[in-house]
Amino acid sequence: QKEVEQNSGPLSVPEGAIASLNCTYSDRGSQSFFWYRQYSGKSPELIMFIYSNGDKEDGRFTAQLNKASQYVSLLIRDSQPSDSATYLCAVFNDYKLSFGAGTTVTVRA
Amino acid sequence: GAVVSQHPSWVICKSGTSVKIECRSLDFQATTMFWYRQFPKQSLMLMATSNEGSKATYEQGVEKDKFLINHASLTLSTLTVTSAHPEDSSFYICSATSTSADTQYFGPGTRLTVL
Repeated sequence: QKEVEQNSGPLSVPEGAIASLNCTYSDRGSQSFFWYRQYSGKSPELIMFIYSNGDKEDGRFTAQLNKASQYVSLLIRDSQPSDSATYLCAVFNDYKLSFGAGTTVTVRA
Repeated sequence: GAVVSQHPSWVICKSGTSVKIECRSLDFQATTMFWYRQFPKQSLMLMATSNEGSKATYEQGVEKDKFLINHASLTLSTLTVTSAHPEDSSFYICSATSTSADTQYFGPGTRLTVL
């Protein structure tokens, strides 16, 4: 079983719509959760991190965490073509990050 | 803040040669640096964790004698790919953490092509 799993993509959404990305993790003791965005040929850049159950909002991004279900999600509201990228879910455990395979999002104008 | 640089950004070398990649934290002291490798259309795979002044901890399946890591200061870590082969061609990315040990900031990556 993979440590971190993301919903398979690619995900195509129209401009202005909400993109919903899901991630599950296997280690119940995980404490910190991250979403990174990676453009093609570039390294990941941090979008958000979340530690506590519930929602965390930052601009057009909302991260949701449910530790009981071992589930973390990312919502992108009012999607823009510049949001087209691969989104990586990462879980911090045992002093290191484990990454999901990523979900590629395409926002069509 | 939290800027991490890598050098070179890309390198092409002949099979059998060694290549050194530098990772620097520019505006903070990095107690821990991480080295990842990413093949096309795959996710990041952690190769090793490096703490300043101590030996790196390698992930299972990563040859420590082939991928030499040195973390001599709180702002610099180096990865040397020794006797590189075409299968070592990949995107190598470093990251660094400061006092907030779980938030990692990534360098821009180094694309290695071994001919």
